[in-house]
Parts: sequence; structure tokens; C-alpha cells
Amino acid sequence: GENVEQHPSTLSVQEGDSAVIKCTYSDSASNYFPWYKQELGKGPQLIIDIRSNVGEKKDQRIAVTLNKTAKHFSLHITETQPEDSAVYFCAAESNTGKLIFGQGTTLQVKP
Amino acid sequence: NAGVTQTPKFRVLKTGQSMTLLCAQDMNHEYMYWYRQDPGMGLRLIHYSVGEGTTAKGEVPDGYNVSRLKKQNFLLGLESAAPSQTSVYFCASSYSTSGSRYNEQFFGPGTRLTVL
Repeated sequence: GENVEQHPSTLSVQEGDSAVIKCTYSDSASNYFPWYKQELGKGPQLIIDIRSNVGEKKDQRIAVTLNKTAKHFSLHITETQPEDSAVYFCAAESNTGKLIFGQGTTLQVKP
Repeated sequence: NAGVTQTPKFRVLKTGQSMTLLCAQDMNHEYMYWYRQDPGMGLRLIHYSVGEGTTAKGEVPDGYNVSRLKKQNFLLGLESAAPSQTSVYFCASSYSTSGSRYNEQFFGPGTRLTVL
């Protein structure tokens, strides 16, 4: 069935460094790939998304890249700050319109 | 706007007990979803609804039932709770699922359920 693999499961960086989270998906028909951030005790919140007709998208310190041929996409956070500490989920939209989520990455930014 | 709200925030059940989780949204969204979140497994879809009066099974529907009698509410029921249903449950809603920006899912704050 449809599957999204996310790596790493945990990531620790120093404040100011960059962080990269990678995801691969199995459904070649997927064409929408959102990223959600979940802060402690809260529900996930959309931070950036990308559609298959775009290879890269930036929004201030965050960017997402997509390689449809290889079926993988990545989240890049530059100049990390302590408030970036959270759990990040990638997702891919299945051919039935539902989102398939990755397992999540716990990012810790150390001051 | 309150967005998506969930009731209750916490609940402890004994095996075999039943309960209903309530989700409400005030964004006039057509689509609503129930997920469960377990460590290392991400968010898994339990059931979803594409409009008032409709429901459909997701990835892990066994042991759960849902109802969408009103557009703004989506109820998740556990008829006979089991320890395997200990989890954090999230409700979400979206305008559409067309693969556009409009299918951004808005999540509630979650319900932490423990089944003893």
C-alpha cells in the first residue's frame, strides 16, 4: 500500500546550524507534499507545502525540495532557533486524496 | 474563530468501557478526519468524512465508529475500549482534498486516551 518513510527519527543541532529531514514515498501518483510542525501538547500545523510541478519552494528560513523521479522530498531549516524545536511530519497525498504521514522527526535545537 | 476543538482533552478508561470523542470546527469545512498518533508511527487515519452524513474507513478503523450528523461536528466512538487503543487522538478538517493549497488540514489540540 501507500507508504511514506521519514528520516531521521531524531535530530539534534546547535542553534544557528541547518537541519535537514528527508522523506520518501511509494505512490507515484502523489502530487502534493505538505510538512507539518507539532509543538509539545499541540496539534500539527502546516508550515510549508509543495506540488509536483515545482522542484523547490522557500519561505524565509524553511525550504522544501522535491525529486519526483526518485520519489523523495526534503525539508531544510536554516539558521535554526530554539523555537524550531518540535516534531516535524512529512506527508504525501495519496491517489484517493488522503494524506499519508511519515513517522515524524523530533528536532532539538540546542542554545 | 476557535478553529478545531476537541472534547475531552484527557480521559482514562477501563477495558471494555465505551466513550465518544467530540470534534467541532467553525471553518465550514467539508472534510473531517480522525487520526491516532503513536510513538514512532506518525499519524494514522482512523475514519474520515467528505461531508455531512457521510463517513469512510481510513487506515486503522477497527474498534472505532464515527458519525457526522452535522457539518461542523465529527464524533469518534469506542464501543469496547482495549489497551491497544491507548493513544493520542487528533481531529482535523479541510476545505477540500483536491491536492491544492485548499486541502490544508487544520488539527485540533488532541485527546490523550489511556485504556487500563
